[in-house]
Amino acid sequence: ETGVTQSPTHLIKTRGQQVTLRCSSQSGHNTVSWYQQALGQGPQFIFQYYREEENGRGNFPPRFSGLQFPNYSSELNVNALELDDSALYLCASRPGFSGANVLTFGAGSRLTVL
Amino acid sequence: GESVGLHLPTLSVQEGDNSIINCAYSNSASDYFIWYKQESGKGPQFIIDIRSNMDKRQGQRVTVLLNKTVKHLSLQIAATQPGDSAVYFCAENQAGNKLTFGGGTRVLVKP
Repeated sequence: ETGVTQSPTHLIKTRGQQVTLRCSSQSGHNTVSWYQQALGQGPQFIFQYYREEENGRGNFPPRFSGLQFPNYSSELNVNALELDDSALYLCASRPGFSGANVLTFGAGSRLTVL
Repeated sequence: GESVGLHLPTLSVQEGDNSIINCAYSNSASDYFIWYKQESGKGPQFIIDIRSNMDKRQGQRVTVLLNKTVKHLSLQIAATQPGDSAVYFCAENQAGNKLTFGGGTRVLVKP
């Protein structure tokens, strides 16, 4: 079975621009979460999608938004990029909404904002 | 590969020795805890988990201990190998099934 795949792996943007990051969940996984990992820190929860609906959100402003598609893949969109948005963005999936199911992470998309 | 964490606490351990990584968690209501390993250029990888109704769980070469009284979690790695060099994170499952991660510990295995 394939794991969680993310694209692009690296990208550079400038302040004020918008970015879309993509994630394909692991086969059979219908719940997708997004995390932001700044350099030298642990991942921070952005939001979670289950059955194409946002189901849980961390302490991130509305310019961070997302989508989940019928095939359970997902996008993270960030508008009006700021320098502090530079980070590794991790997508993770699990087979069901229950927290008892282990999250499987992708390798991440490294975003640099100049 | 990229460095996962430049300013993390570091544990240096001799190959073959045992490693102990500690973690304090914040929410006494958390009911499920996980340890993840993150190598450079990769996402976090599941190692072992434990529920709040347990105080110890063993896997292959790893043991997790949970002390709910002081909100402390530890990961023990037996016979540490070069492939164990990575950053280790503890995470607690909180309301809404979101994971809250600790700050991480870098483990460096010396040959």
